[in-house]
Amino acid sequence: DADVTQTPRNRITKTGKRIMLECSQTKGHDRMYWYRQDPGLGLRLIYYSFDVKDINKGEISDGYSVSRQAQAKFSLSLESAIPNQTALYFCATSLGQGASNEQFFGPGTRLTVL
Amino acid sequence: ELKVEQNPLFLSMQEGKNYTIYCNYSTTSDRLYWYRQDPGKSLESLFVLLSNGAVKQEGRLMASLDTKARLSTLHITAAVHDLSATYFCAVSLGANSKLTFGKGITLSVRP
Repeated sequence: DADVTQTPRNRITKTGKRIMLECSQTKGHDRMYWYRQDPGLGLRLIYYSFDVKDINKGEISDGYSVSRQAQAKFSLSLESAIPNQTALYFCATSLGQGASNEQFFGPGTRLTVL
Repeated sequence: ELKVEQNPLFLSMQEGKNYTIYCNYSTTSDRLYWYRQDPGKSLESLFVLLSNGAVKQEGRLMASLDTKARLSTLHITAAVHDLSATYFCAVSLGANSKLTFGKGITLSVRP
């Protein structure tokens, strides 16, 4: 089945460490997204990419960076993790222009920063 | 700035009864999405509504969109325990625009 996968699924790290979360997809979608979810706050967009050469900041990009290594891969990095980056992180994908913009989500990565 | 509001944020439902939950948004749009999330799980796409008056139904759930009122409703018919989850709506301002999510409504179905 065409799918969206995320690694790792769980990660505990310490303040100041560099962390990379990875997302891969076999859906053949052009567009990829990174969100974080915090209790009571819904989903907030961190970064998004409409194709390999396109990277855009979302509403909460400070403290994060991304890399779109290929159409199928989109990585999120925390250069120096801090405790308030503890959250559930989701990657999502969608088809390109002309499609419905419906997004399909990966299973999530639970990140804890001590 | 687009704002998406869902209410109520929590709803306790009795098995077998009908309920409606709402999603309001602040900027004209004809693209609205409903997602379901079970505790600790990912988001699952339920409905994609892409025009004024659009209505989609799946099992006991029916979603509709009124773009003039900037309102989508999700109607639940004869609630069952399996419908207990958090339901998010999201709005997009265009085909090349990102989604803005509401905070979600947590539904709990009791016997």
